[in-house]
Amino acid sequence: KAGVTQTPRYLIKTRGQQVTLSCSPISGHRSVSWYQQTPGQGLQFLFEYFSETQRNKGNFPGRFSGRQFSNSRSEMNVSTLELGDSALYLCASSRDQGQFFGPGTRLTVL
Amino acid sequence: DAKTTQPTSMDCAEGRAANLPCNHSTISGNEYVYWYRQIHSQGPQYIIHGLKNNETNEMASLIITEDRKSSTLILPHATLRDTAVYYCIFKGDMLTFGGGTRLMVKP
Repeated sequence: KAGVTQTPRYLIKTRGQQVTLSCSPISGHRSVSWYQQTPGQGLQFLFEYFSETQRNKGNFPGRFSGRQFSNSRSEMNVSTLELGDSALYLCASSRDQGQFFGPGTRLTVL
Repeated sequence: DAKTTQPTSMDCAEGRAANLPCNHSTISGNEYVYWYRQIHSQGPQYIIHGLKNNETNEMASLIITEDRKSSTLILPHATLRDTAVYYCIFKGDMLTFGGGTRLMVKP
């Protein structure tokens, strides 16, 4: 069974731009969560989607948003990028217990 | 908020058992304990989870105390490739990762 895939793997943007990251969960998994990982803050929860609805949300500004499609694929969007948004963005999918993470998208904001 | 306490770092000799402790005194009765590990710049990898019974799989064993306030992840024969940051977490509404334990397996 294929694992969680994320695209793109690497991305470079400049301040003020917006970015969209994509996540394809493991087949049959309906829950998709997004995390931000930075050296200073560690792994921080962004939001979780289940059946196209946001089920939980972390403490991030409104510039961070997401959505989930009927096939469970998910996207997250960050608008008006700031230097501090440079991070590894991880997506994880789950069905019952346990979450399975993708390789992440490394975003660099210049 | 759900919170776990782990040592910041540990060393282990290659081939020996690595025992990674975790305190989770605020865990509630129906919350599972999960262990993940993260090798540099990769996504966290699921290792094992348990509720109150000890668990074993091909990667590791999980020992949970009877009061469920702590657990220990055991890697029975650590290899150099087990060098990683190990996270002990429990799932409330979301997975909340703490700082984890940086395990260094040395030859």
